[in-house]
Amino acid sequence: DTAVSQTPKYLVTQMGNDKSIKCEQNLGHDTMYWYKQDSKKFLKIMFSYNNKELIINETVPNRFSPKSPDKAHLNLHINSLELGDSAVYFCASSQDWTERKQETQYFGPGTRLLVL
Amino acid sequence: TQLLEQSPQFLSIQEGENLTVYCNSSSVFSSLQWYRQEPGEGPVLLVTVVTGGEVKKLKRLTFQFGDARKDSSLHITAAQPGDTGLYLCAGALNTGNQFYFGTGTSLTVIP
Repeated sequence: DTAVSQTPKYLVTQMGNDKSIKCEQNLGHDTMYWYKQDSKKFLKIMFSYNNKELIINETVPNRFSPKSPDKAHLNLHINSLELGDSAVYFCASSQDWTERKQETQYFGPGTRLLVL
Repeated sequence: TQLLEQSPQFLSIQEGENLTVYCNSSSVFSSLQWYRQEPGEGPVLLVTVVTGGEVKKLKRLTFQFGDARKDSSLHITAAQPGDTGLYLCAGALNTGNQFYFGTGTSLTVIP
């Protein structure tokens, strides 16, 4: 009964390909996130959805497109993959985003993307 | 330059030693969190602090939020090999709706 799950766990692909990463949470949370962790372990937010509505869209190339079919799922599609896209991508969820800004984020196990 | 700088970046100590990890910024945060990330897994929340000067304890871990809410520290007493991992601080600004993660501290506790 994994709380936040991602597929695939590993993804090795060639430059120029298009790939998708899927994320599902069974916690009943309203808010979901995509983060990128680079080779130096720095974790940076990419997108956030609250009840299927985009609320955070950081400076990310438009080759990256998130899609939230329902509030339990947030998928990430990447077009024309580049070498610099190699990283670990984490999905996360939280109950809500409130003014108190104290929400716990629950992270998935990550997807290790390697672009050759 | 990142919004939250952590020091040290790497730390390797013997079991039983004490250590402190620092998380510093020039910005004021409405709340600050500490996460631990083990190899091959996602970060897991350890604590959230919201009041300047606040101190929270979690077994051998002590977390402090600076009086001005610009910095935080994590102190581990009598470190154990199970404490090994990447420690990340994350702060939420007064404006906006996201947490900014720190640069990370990779801790190794040698048995």
